[in-house]
Amino acid sequence: QVQLQESGPGLLRPSETLSLTCSVSRGSISRYYWSWIRQPPGKGLEWIGSVSVTGSTNYNPSLKSRVTILIDRPNNQFSLNLTSVTAADTAVFYCASGVAGTFDSWGQGTAVTVSS
Amino acid sequence: EIVLTQSPGTLSLSPGERATLSCRASQTVSRSYLAWYQQRPGQAPRLLIYGATSRATGIPDRFSGSGSGTDFTLTIRRLEPEDFAVYYCQQYGSSPATFGQGTKVEIK
Repeated sequence: QVQLQESGPGLLRPSETLSLTCSVSRGSISRYYWSWIRQPPGKGLEWIGSVSVTGSTNYNPSLKSRVTILIDRPNNQFSLNLTSVTAADTAVFYCASGVAGTFDSWGQGTAVTVSS
Repeated sequence: EIVLTQSPGTLSLSPGERATLSCRASQTVSRSYLAWYQQRPGQAPRLLIYGATSRATGIPDRFSGSGSGTDFTLTIRRLEPEDFAVYYCQQYGSSPATFGQGTKVEIK
């Protein structure tokens, strides 16, 4: 199984842009689908969006206007940009991979807090 | 989008007992594209079941999934201490993929 590791800032101000990177190891990024999922404190899971090896994307309509997911094949990583963050975006963000819409490998998660 | 409702919210059981978790969808889940995940405190979710009934790699056979259409069930045959956790169902038959709100299995 591939290993995934998220990286990025843990604290943001409202209206800033969240940028996270997921590094893929023990496997090639040229397979599967690569996704971002978030979990607000004490709450459930929300799928943010996915990118395929070809770069085609699929986003959750609830976030689509603010989300960009890109794949960087040479560096075996993919990224998430979320613009105009508010306190409601405070969550643990996970990167994940899988086939056909399931998520069988997950990063450990990175906590992001939005606060002024 | 498909809304998944899990019940009960909390299940209080003793080790060795059988756990039955329910996931009901607001509309038919296409091709039974329904998965189950386990999340222990402070950890990322782990895939248990996909395609409603298939166990993921390395998942013990005490975990089983059943159901189709709008009603799905996760059964844990005999609870081990490490099985006390939160369980989520997820549908991936239509976009956006959605998760249920979770069922917590706690020690009685």
